[in-house]
Amino acid sequence: RKEVEQDPGPFNVPEGATVAFNCTYSNSASQSFFWYRQDCRKEPKLLMSVYSSGNEDGRFTAQLNRASQYISLLIRDSKLSDSATYLCVVLGSGGSYIPTFGRGTSLIVHP
Amino acid sequence: EAQVTQNPRYLITVTGKKLTVTCSQNMNHEYMSWYRQDPGLGLRQIYYSMNVEVTDKGDVPEGYKVSRKEKRNFPLILESPSPNQTSLYFCATGRGYNEQFFGPGTRLTVL
Repeated sequence: RKEVEQDPGPFNVPEGATVAFNCTYSNSASQSFFWYRQDCRKEPKLLMSVYSSGNEDGRFTAQLNRASQYISLLIRDSKLSDSATYLCVVLGSGGSYIPTFGRGTSLIVHP
Repeated sequence: EAQVTQNPRYLITVTGKKLTVTCSQNMNHEYMSWYRQDPGLGLRQIYYSMNVEVTDKGDVPEGYKVSRKEKRNFPLILESPSPNQTSLYFCATGRGYNEQFFGPGTRLTVL
């Protein structure tokens, strides 16, 4: 079983829709969690960190559920420019400094 | 302008011909790392460096070497490239291993 799993999608939604992605992780000792965004053939860019108390940045909300070992990303009022692949990143499994990336969830927002 | 630069951006080479991919950052970050990204496998860390003269293996270090002789540079060396090292390579940097800033990527093809 992969340490970090994401539904690859694609999630195909109309503009204005609300969409949510989940990411599950296998190591309960994991310490830090992030969402990155990657546009086609470009470098990943940090979207937001995920805290135990949740984290909101405009239309984006990230949450952590330690009991069920998953993190989520909610995008409200989707824009065409939100079309991208969203990567879940987990850090700190077993004291490791090696981040584990999920394979990514593809989002396509259409007019 | 804060940036991470990689060179070359594209490279086609033949099996066994030594090559170096350079990475340079102007953000004065201690942490630098190298990743490869392959379809269906996501991003995997090759090597990372917490500071000058300190390097550690990531998930997939076989066939690669790195050096960190100065803070701003972290070259990736393939002593004897093989076709299974055909991939998209990203260099990344950060104050710690949390938020990482990625370079634009190097697309390597080994024939």
